Amino acid sequence: GDSVTQMEGPVTLSEEAFLTINCTYTATGYPSLFWYVQYPGEGLQLLLKATKADDKGSNKGFEATYRKETTSFHLEKGSVQVSDSAVYFCALSETSGSRLTFGEGTQLTVNP
Amino acid sequence: DVKVTQSSRYLVKRTGEKVFLECVQDMDHENMFWYRQDPGLGLRLIYFSYDVKMKEKGDIPEGYSVSREKKERFSLILESASTNQTSMYLCASSLDSVGGGYTFGSGTRLTVV
Repeated sequence: GDSVTQMEGPVTLSEEAFLTINCTYTATGYPSLFWYVQYPGEGLQLLLKATKADDKGSNKGFEATYRKETTSFHLEKGSVQVSDSAVYFCALSETSGSRLTFGEGTQLTVNP
Repeated sequence: DVKVTQSSRYLVKRTGEKVFLECVQDMDHENMFWYRQDPGLGLRLIYFSYDVKMKEKGDIPEGYSVSREKKERFSLILESASTNQTSMYLCASSLDSVGGGYTFGSGTRLTVV
């Protein structure tokens, strides 16, 4: 079945540091890939997405590129802020409107 | 923007009680989902629905049931609450389109004592 593996957390960075959160997936077809963010006490929000190979999703300074050859969708940001502290989830869906399969989440803490 | 509203942010119930968690979305989405979120386990799918009066079991349906009488409302029912159902419950909805992604509610933190 489908699965998503994220790098283990928690991750702690200083403000303005470079961020990478690794995500790899296993799927039978050509899934759509997503990153969601969960701020403290809130539900998940869609951060960015990519629907086909080599697509780059971007939002709020975050980027991720759909790499079919390495089955990866790593999340990056060039300069993190304290306000980026949250839990980040990588996810995939195989078909139109179908269920999402989530990774376990990575807790990011950014210190001033 | 699509809004998904969960009726309670915090709930405390007693063991054995029947518990209803309500979720309403306002943008005519076909698909609705219930997840629970636990530390170290991520999000686990309980039930989902692709249409009114339709429901499908997710990965952990035991001890739960659902109801979807109207397109906008998807209710999660704990038939007889137990302490191992203490968790954060998240509702989500989505359009039936490729790459659409989900819109989540803010979650209900349920404690069963």
